[in-house]
Amino acid sequence: NAGVTQTPKFQVLKTGQSMTLQCAQDMNHEYMSWYRQDPGMGLRLIHYSVGAGITDQGEVPNGYNVSRSTTEDFPLRLLSAAPSQTSVYFCASSSAGVVTDTQYFGPGTRLTVL
Amino acid sequence: AQSVTQLDSHVSVSEGTPVLLRCNYSSSYSPSLFWYVQHPNKGLQLLLKYTSAATLVKGINGFEAEFKKSETSFHLTKPSAHMSDAAEYFCVVISNDYKLSFGAGTTVTVRA
Repeated sequence: NAGVTQTPKFQVLKTGQSMTLQCAQDMNHEYMSWYRQDPGMGLRLIHYSVGAGITDQGEVPNGYNVSRSTTEDFPLRLLSAAPSQTSVYFCASSSAGVVTDTQYFGPGTRLTVL
Repeated sequence: AQSVTQLDSHVSVSEGTPVLLRCNYSSSYSPSLFWYVQHPNKGLQLLLKYTSAATLVKGINGFEAEFKKSETSFHLTKPSAHMSDAAEYFCVVISNDYKLSFGAGTTVTVRA
């Protein structure tokens, strides 16, 4: 099992550009989520999905879109990048059967917006 | 709603001495609590979790945490720090709809 994979690992964008951060998992997990990590703020939930075709907003959803067409993939889209979106982004997944199941995190994408 | 407060942003210990990372939580129901560790430039790894079973939870790498409902705390300890324990640690509470709330993190430095 590859677990949770994220691409790219690093990305630099100019203000106003768009891009998609990719996330995939091969554990057949129903629940997937995106977080951003900023110094001194822990991880904050951007969007999450409890299954294919179902998504919902987290704590900081503005400026980001998601979709979930398959169980395996959960891409995060930045429509018009802003410097405030400079951050490290983590994707996570878990089985939706039990709320206390372990969340598995990807290695992260480090995004810089100039 | 739930929230987590990690009481120390930075903890420095000598190798071989005990480590204590403090976490207080707020939750309107019986919570599930986790500790995750993040080594530099790495993803997050689960250390241990409390799921309403035993209040003293043992995790990986010699870490353990005790859930104290009366104090709304879930402090993480290790009897003897190792250089490899230098990392950032996050206390996390999870809601019934799978939303995780993270503390701000505690950075651990281990002195030789």
